[in-house]
Amino acid sequence: KAGVTQTPRYLIKTRGQQVTLSCSPISGHRSVSWYQQTPGQGLQFLFEYFSETQRNKGNFPGRFSGRQFSNSRSEMNVSTLELGDSALYLCASSLVWREGTGELFFGEGSRLTVL
Amino acid sequence: DAKTTQPNSMESNEEEPVHLPCNHSTISGTDYIHWYRQLPSQGPEYVIHGLTSNVNNRMASLAIAEDRKSSTLILHRATLRDAAVYYCILRTPSGAGSYQLTFGKGTKLSVIP
Repeated sequence: KAGVTQTPRYLIKTRGQQVTLSCSPISGHRSVSWYQQTPGQGLQFLFEYFSETQRNKGNFPGRFSGRQFSNSRSEMNVSTLELGDSALYLCASSLVWREGTGELFFGEGSRLTVL
Repeated sequence: DAKTTQPNSMESNEEEPVHLPCNHSTISGTDYIHWYRQLPSQGPEYVIHGLTSNVNNRMASLAIAEDRKSSTLILHRATLRDAAVYYCILRTPSGAGSYQLTFGKGTKLSVIP
């Protein structure tokens, strides 16, 4: 069974640019969530999508956005990049979660460097 | 908001049990406790989760305090492959299948051969 695939794995951007990251979930998984990981802040929840709808959002500015397509693939976009956006961006997929149970399957992440 | 606190690092000898603590004193009654671990250059992987009762699976055990303000992940026999950063996470349901996640800073476990 193929795992969660994130592309690109590495990318370098400059301040002010925008970036789009892609995530292909495990087949059959309809929930996709995104996380930012930095040395200073650790892991932080960005948002979660289910059936093309954003169900929840973490405490990030509006520059961070995402979407999910009908095949459950998801993209996240960061506009007007800042140096502090340099991070590992992780995507995770899961079957429908009920009441806090279940398991997240993470991809290996997209490492973004902002110069 | 719920918050979790973990030690920055711990060491264990190979084949010895390891107890990784997590404090979550502001946990609410509906928060699930999840543990994930992250090996170098990989995404996190699921270890175990629970709500109120202690839980066991093939990877580990989760001991939850009676007041639920703390929990302990127990690796029964540490191996070199268990060297990773272990994250304690609270998953707070927020209706209609939605949820919020609160991550601890993680404990880096080193296993000594």
